[in-house]
Amino acid sequence: QKEVEQDPGPLSVPEGAIVSLNCTYSNSAFQYFMWYRQYSRKGPELLMYTYSSGNKEDGRFTAQVDKSSKYISLFIRDSQPSDSATYLCAMSLYRDDKIIFGKGTRLHILP
Amino acid sequence: EPEVTQTPSHQVTQMGQEVILRCVPISNHLYFYWYRQILGQKVEFLVSFYNNEISEKSEIFDDQFSVERPDGSNFTLKIRSTKLEDSAMYFCASSPTSGSNEQFFGPGTRLTVL
Repeated sequence: QKEVEQDPGPLSVPEGAIVSLNCTYSNSAFQYFMWYRQYSRKGPELLMYTYSSGNKEDGRFTAQVDKSSKYISLFIRDSQPSDSATYLCAMSLYRDDKIIFGKGTRLHILP
Repeated sequence: EPEVTQTPSHQVTQMGQEVILRCVPISNHLYFYWYRQILGQKVEFLVSFYNNEISEKSEIFDDQFSVERPDGSNFTLKIRSTKLEDSAMYFCASSPTSGSNEQFFGPGTRLTVL
């Protein structure tokens, strides 16, 4: 079983739709959960950061962590063409630890 | 807004040559990392560095790799004898000691080994 699994997509949705991106993981010891956005041939950009279970909201973005199910989600409301990118879920065991990434989901927002 | 910078943006080298990839982390950060991403694959951890020494390294980070913080601002990754399979994007990241694990990534150096 892979440590972090993420559907690679591509996922195409019309502008203005709500986007749901998900990851599952196998190691129940993960405590820190992140979502990064990556544009083609660029570095990952930190979007959302969550410690342990729960929800976190930042503007149009909401991150959810369900540790009991080993499942994390990122929701994007009122999606825009500029949101078109690859979204990487990521997690780590403890503070300052290496990050384990999912393979990323390619998202296309259609104007 | 402070950011991690990396140079060069693209490095082309011949197999067997040494390369040095350079990074300037965010100035008040104390933890530094190198990751790489082979085209079409996931971002993979190489090494972490704190207090002038390696904290952890992955299986990828063998004797051909080394890291150094030669002064108060730069953080380098050296590959002594490059192989074709070293071709990848190399990302530097840094994080503060704020109790979180928010790692901020640079734009990457694309290494092409011929």
